[in-house]
Amino acid sequence: DTGVSQNPRHKITKRGQNVTFRCDPISEHNRLYWYRQTLGQGPEFLTYFQNEAQLEKSRLLSDRFSAERPKGSFSTLEIQRTEQGDSAMYLCASSSEGTGGRELFFGEGSRLTVL
Amino acid sequence: AQSVTQLDSQVPVFEEAPVELRCNYSSSVSVYLFWYVQYPNQGLQLLLKYLSGSTLVKSINGFEAEFNKSQTSFHLRKPSVHISDTAEYFCAVGKFYFGSGTKLNVKP
Repeated sequence: DTGVSQNPRHKITKRGQNVTFRCDPISEHNRLYWYRQTLGQGPEFLTYFQNEAQLEKSRLLSDRFSAERPKGSFSTLEIQRTEQGDSAMYLCASSSEGTGGRELFFGEGSRLTVL
Repeated sequence: AQSVTQLDSQVPVFEEAPVELRCNYSSSVSVYLFWYVQYPNQGLQLLLKYLSGSTLVKSINGFEAEFNKSQTSFHLRKPSVHISDTAEYFCAVGKFYFGSGTKLNVKP
């Protein structure tokens, strides 16, 4: 168990550019979640997957945000045409449903700075 | 929709003093409740959880929280804090709703 891994840890980009973040969950976990965290706030839920199925995406912040988990393992979160307001920490977490744990295991996050 | 309120954004406390971090949530329907802790430069990690059963739950490092259904609260307590408890603490309901966090600053 190597934990949840997120890459890159930091990304600085210019407004209007596209960015993609990757999350590798704990290998036996079937659920994967994305959150945004801004300064002074708690994690804000964006979307989640069970295996490769995206079960909730209505909380994605705009149509510029999209996420995939093509093979039910790693996931990517893409932000198109970035805006300065997208600057935040993007968190990934995974969990194993059906075994009673129900808690989230978080990565260390990917910090996005949009100039 | 659920909401989670942590009224105290910062709590300064001296070492060995007791502390309570407050958490209230909006819905009284059956919920799973969590406290996560984020130490400096680290990711969030589970501190303790309430799923069912005993309303008092404890962590391995001396924290405890009590589920109070009538008051829709899940306050976190520790009778004697250590410098190493300095961190940010987040209350969560299920996996979708988090409070805004409370920074616990333990002073020597």
